[in-house]
Amino acid sequence: AQKVTQAQTEISVVEKEDVTLDCVYETRDTTYYLFWYKQPPSGELVFLIRRNSFDEQNEISGRYSWNFQKSTSSFNFTITASQVVDSAVYFCALSEPHSGNTPLVFGKGTRLSVIA
Amino acid sequence: KAGVTQTPRYLIKTRGQQVTLSCSPISGHRSVSWYQQTPGQGLQFLFEYFSETQRNKGNFPGRFSGRQFSNSRSEMNVSTLELGDSALYLCASSLDAPQGSGKLFFGSGTQLSVL
Repeated sequence: AQKVTQAQTEISVVEKEDVTLDCVYETRDTTYYLFWYKQPPSGELVFLIRRNSFDEQNEISGRYSWNFQKSTSSFNFTITASQVVDSAVYFCALSEPHSGNTPLVFGKGTRLSVIA
Repeated sequence: KAGVTQTPRYLIKTRGQQVTLSCSPISGHRSVSWYQQTPGQGLQFLFEYFSETQRNKGNFPGRFSGRQFSNSRSEMNVSTLELGDSALYLCASSLDAPQGSGKLFFGSGTQLSVL
């Protein structure tokens, strides 16, 4: 069965520090997708990235970067030079599209607080 | 392009009542999913509709139901409300089907409080 674990419940950093949010997943499929979403105080989840299981290249988008390692079943998210606006709950999610319309399974989320 | 719209934003009900929540997806999106978010359980999948058909259902009691209309708008209904139904209910739409491969676009949710 698919499972996503975000061991860090809450993280607090001072502005301009780098922070890494951990995500470990479990799946029996060889084809799967991994996602990160951000949930600001307004409530809606905002899509950040999707990665398929065959693409282990790390990705960088501005201050955001993602490290995908199949060997450790991890898909970690790093924010460089954090800002107050990065304060939110971040969710890692997994889907197995070839396993019969399975929905996204989310981790419990990591609440990030960036202090000015 | 307008985003996913959920109404109402807040609801207060009492135990035993029923409630209907509404979701309008992004124009052109045919898949609508519903999630329940609580502090203890996190985000839990309720159901997904595609072209007016329920494609998938989560592990929730029959008191939770939904439907999708021909214009892709969706409603979910919870009957005989219990205190534990207090949660943020999030709707998400997607261009893709099946749900698993595409990215979801979420609404701001309906915050339901059951007293």
